[in-house]
Amino acid sequence: GENVEQHPSTLSVQEGDSAVIKCTYSDSASNYFPWYKQELGKRPQLIIDIRSNVGEKKDQRIAVTLNKTAKHFSLHITETQPEDSAVYFCAASKGTYKYIFGTGTRLKVLA
Amino acid sequence: GAVVSQHPSWVICKSGTSVKIECRSLDFQATTMFWYRQFPKQSLMLMATSNEGSKATYEQGVEKDKFLINHASLTLSTLTVTSAHPEDSSFYICSAKDGDQPQHFGDGTRLSIL
Repeated sequence: GENVEQHPSTLSVQEGDSAVIKCTYSDSASNYFPWYKQELGKRPQLIIDIRSNVGEKKDQRIAVTLNKTAKHFSLHITETQPEDSAVYFCAASKGTYKYIFGTGTRLKVLA
Repeated sequence: GAVVSQHPSWVICKSGTSVKIECRSLDFQATTMFWYRQFPKQSLMLMATSNEGSKATYEQGVEKDKFLINHASLTLSTLTVTSAHPEDSSFYICSAKDGDQPQHFGDGTRLSIL
């Protein structure tokens, strides 16, 4: 069945360093890839998304890259800050309909 | 914009009772709403998808008679956990979207069954 693998499961970085989270999807028909940030006990919040017709998208300190051939996409956070600490989920879907979520990455930014 | 409200945020009840959770889109019309379940330190698992005015589509392994979903209007969907038992304790989150827009999530409901 459809599957999204996400790595690493935990990631600790020093404040100011970059963080990279990678996801691989199985369904080649997937064409929409959102990233969500979830703080403890709160709702997942969309932080960036990318559609399959582009290879990269950037929004200030956050960027996402997509390699359709290899079926993987990555989240890049530069100049990390303590408030970036949270759990990050990637997802893949056809259109924006049914999301298949990755297993999550717990990011800790050490001050 | 794109605010989704979910109530209650926390509920504790006795085993055997039924619990209703509401999910409302406050500033947009939600053509589709989704219900997820999330166990501690785990990912979001889709339970069912509902379109306004239609029966919900349940994911494999989710009991439709256990988890009743109603999407009676373009702004409201409800999830009723019937005859809840301790193993139903979890964090339930809804999301809503309008057309081809991304899903927006509610704050979640922490359900504890004693």
